[in-house]
Amino acid sequence: EAQVTQNPRYLITVTGKKLTVTCSQNMNHEYMSWYRQDPGLGLRQIYYSMNVEVTDKGDVPEGYKVSRKEKRNFPLILESPSPNQTSLYFCASSPGTEFYEQYFGPGTRLTVT
Amino acid sequence: SQQGEEDPQALSIQEGENATMNCSYKTSINNLQWYRQNSGRGLVHLILIRSNEREKHSGRLRVTLDTSKKSSSLLITASRAADTASYFCATYSLDYKLSFGAGTTVTVRA
Repeated sequence: EAQVTQNPRYLITVTGKKLTVTCSQNMNHEYMSWYRQDPGLGLRQIYYSMNVEVTDKGDVPEGYKVSRKEKRNFPLILESPSPNQTSLYFCASSPGTEFYEQYFGPGTRLTVT
Repeated sequence: SQQGEEDPQALSIQEGENATMNCSYKTSINNLQWYRQNSGRGLVHLILIRSNEREKHSGRLRVTLDTSKKSSSLLITASRAADTASYFCATYSLDYKLSFGAGTTVTVRA
């Protein structure tokens, strides 16, 4: 089944404890991206990647890191999480950019205390 | 920054009625996409309209695009309870960032 998977789905952590949220797609997609969703703000893009070893900042990259060493995986790293990073995170992938639909993962709900 | 802004923020309708929501964006685009999100789940793509198209249909969905006004509308006809969801428009900027609006929450009452 074609899908985007994220792990973990739920995470409660403490300020400053490094964490990684994994994202994997099995559709051989070139474009992958991370979003955070906060009430009233919609989805905001954190980072995106147009291909292996190519990553770019989205609108809200501060406090996050990503890497794209393999085509299928695009992990999101929070080196030192803070409470303002409490949010619902989505990973998405697509075959290309502008004329392609995004396929979204199920989301990761992160709480930083 | 958010490229798209939806209006209204929330909409409540009776089953069988039509629901219309609007999206305005700031810069030139090559296409505009609409997505649906059910209660905290991942977004699902509904429809893509290219900048050279004025109207597009998909089942009970009708999307219009007015590039001169930098706006788009999504019409859901004959709404059902299953249409209860949040709806987002999305556009790409020139550097391939994808921006979503804040969304319109639609509630369909039985």
